[in-house]
Amino acid sequence: KAGVTQTPRYLIKTRGQQVTLSCSPISGHRSVSWYQQTPGQGLQFLFEYFSETQRNKGNFPGRFSGRQFSNSRSEMNVSTLELGDSALYLCASSLEPGLASTDTQYFGPGTRLTVL
Amino acid sequence: EDKVVQSPLSLVVHEGDTVTLNCSYEVTNFRSLLWYKQEKKAPTFLFMLTSSGIEKKSGRLSSILDKKELFSILNITATQTGDSAVYLCAVEPYNNDMRFGAGTRLTVKP
Repeated sequence: KAGVTQTPRYLIKTRGQQVTLSCSPISGHRSVSWYQQTPGQGLQFLFEYFSETQRNKGNFPGRFSGRQFSNSRSEMNVSTLELGDSALYLCASSLEPGLASTDTQYFGPGTRLTVL
Repeated sequence: EDKVVQSPLSLVVHEGDTVTLNCSYEVTNFRSLLWYKQEKKAPTFLFMLTSSGIEKKSGRLSSILDKKELFSILNITATQTGDSAVYLCAVEPYNNDMRFGAGTRLTVKP
């Protein structure tokens, strides 16, 4: 079956703009997690959604938000973009909720966001 | 403050060597430790460890957790060039604010 897909793959924005990233999980997966990866900070957890509800949230400002739809697809929004938001944004899906579950996460290819 | 430290930061070996990657942590209310392999794409989940002393194994890779000494190791035996990647360690406490290490960059030369 198809893997996790993320769109767009690449995005260039300017400071102050907002951006919406999309993630479609593997069919049947209801848990979607978002991560930010930057060279200096490594991989950082943003949030996790399950059944349209945010279950877990990382330590990011309120400019970062997300939602999940009834078909489990998820979107992540970043408002008032800053230069430091330039990063690879990764989405991962799994069957079960909770990052400590024994379920395996499957990562998408990521969306590379560049803020100029 | 919670932190995760991986060592070494980089490692160069030859095919067939065995490597051990280390991950130590200081986390309040530890729940689980995860290992990922990251190449030029999204990281691949390798293992999740929650209990001390129980080795998890997948092919040539294995990992174990020591909750008393607060560390985990990831072993790779008979390394291959395809093992070249950054290996990430992450710890999830019960407050759900995950912490990631900086990663160990492994290069396996033919």
